Amino acid sequence: GAVVSQHPSWVICKSGTSVKIECRSLDFQATTMFWYRQFPKQSLMLMATSNEGSKATYEQGVEKDKFLINHASLTLSTLTVTSAHPEDSSFYICSAKSGSRTDTQYFGPGTRLTVL
Amino acid sequence: GESVGLHLPTLSVQEGDNSIINCAYSNSASDYFIWYKQESGKGPQFIIDIRSNMDKRQGQRVTVLLNKTVKHLSLQIAATQPGDSAVYFCAESGGYNKLIFGAGTRLAVHP
Repeated sequence: GAVVSQHPSWVICKSGTSVKIECRSLDFQATTMFWYRQFPKQSLMLMATSNEGSKATYEQGVEKDKFLINHASLTLSTLTVTSAHPEDSSFYICSAKSGSRTDTQYFGPGTRLTVL
Repeated sequence: GESVGLHLPTLSVQEGDNSIINCAYSNSASDYFIWYKQESGKGPQFIIDIRSNMDKRQGQRVTVLLNKTVKHLSLQIAATQPGDSAVYFCAESGGYNKLIFGAGTRLAVHP
């Protein structure tokens, strides 16, 4: 149980284009989903927290107009990187949890984004 | 604040030995702690968690110890195997529904 999927697993795009990444909880309802970014040999940096049906809460320094997050259902959240630039190239990972604050976060397999 | 490591420390162990990975957390108000394992190119995988009302918790081949006095967390892996080679992250949760990740430690298991 507690499986989280991401799609696509990797994507290459040109500068200036937008890319959408999907995160799905496959066998549970995720009241909260999180989006992280990870650069090589570094830790996970939380970008934003999204609750189903409400606006995402972004961490300090994360541009909400650039990283659009939609959590339209209890099993799906999407991250859209708008007007992508090479510096947006990174490993994007989502996680999902249900219920209380101390419930376990389960992570997706990640999406490798390369912007040319 | 958040921890970001530019250079991952590495722990090298022989296959069959016990491994101990340490983590210092930052927020004394944190009350929930988790260890994750991340293999190259994959998302973090839950290993074990512990709440602040406990000092020790055991799983299969893993034990987590929590010392709240010095804000220290450790992960012990018994009889380390090549498949345990990965980067290990501790994470703390003190509110607002989110986790703060440590810098990570790379575990290298040698035959």
